[in-house]
Amino acid sequence: SQQGEEDPQALSIQEGENATMNCSYKTSINNLQWYRQNSGRGLVHLILIRSNEREKHSGRLRVTLDTSKKSSSLLITASRAADTASYFCATAGNTGNQFYFGTGTSLTVIP
Amino acid sequence: NAGVTQTPKFQVLKTGQSMTLQCAQDMNHNSMYWYRQDPGMGLRLIYYSASEGTTDKGEVPNGYNVSRLNKREFSLRLESAAPSQTSVYFCASSAIPPGLTQWSYNSPLHFGNGTRLTVT
Repeated sequence: SQQGEEDPQALSIQEGENATMNCSYKTSINNLQWYRQNSGRGLVHLILIRSNEREKHSGRLRVTLDTSKKSSSLLITASRAADTASYFCATAGNTGNQFYFGTGTSLTVIP
Repeated sequence: NAGVTQTPKFQVLKTGQSMTLQCAQDMNHNSMYWYRQDPGMGLRLIYYSASEGTTDKGEVPNGYNVSRLNKREFSLRLESAAPSQTSVYFCASSAIPPGLTQWSYNSPLHFGNGTRLTVT
């Protein structure tokens, strides 16, 4: 399976602190995507990084990608209580239209 | 603009009963997906459809059937529900043009809010 693995499984921080979560995957990728899932809701796309990119920013989000280590990290700066959610990385299969998700990091931001 | 709509939101079934989970998207997307989400397992792909009239198995297709009724709708059917199928089911869609793949066309997935199914 190409399924990614997020680390840590759970993270609890104070509001205003930075949150970093990591994703490792098993096979070659064309792009890697990060999603957020609020409790009881579907996943929402956050950011996509292509395999030829090393870093990408979107607002308070910073994503890095190291294809040699088959890993990616998501940094949320100046966290807010509203950032409390689960975060998943996802990669595409190299055939067909399959799309694989990791097991997720549960982030709690304490006001 | 509703995006991806799933019905029902909640369902309780007895072992052996059948039901169909409905999904519709209004974004004119070609690709549609069904995932199940279980604690500690992440999301696992059940079936997907690259375009109207085509369907393919994902990682965990056993016990399920799907129908791509038209470009908008993609349904998931449990013919004989089992307790192991207790899960949260998500439908998703993606704007991948016909003939291209997720690999070659960098496109995000758009998700519905899920159906919470309990099989007793």
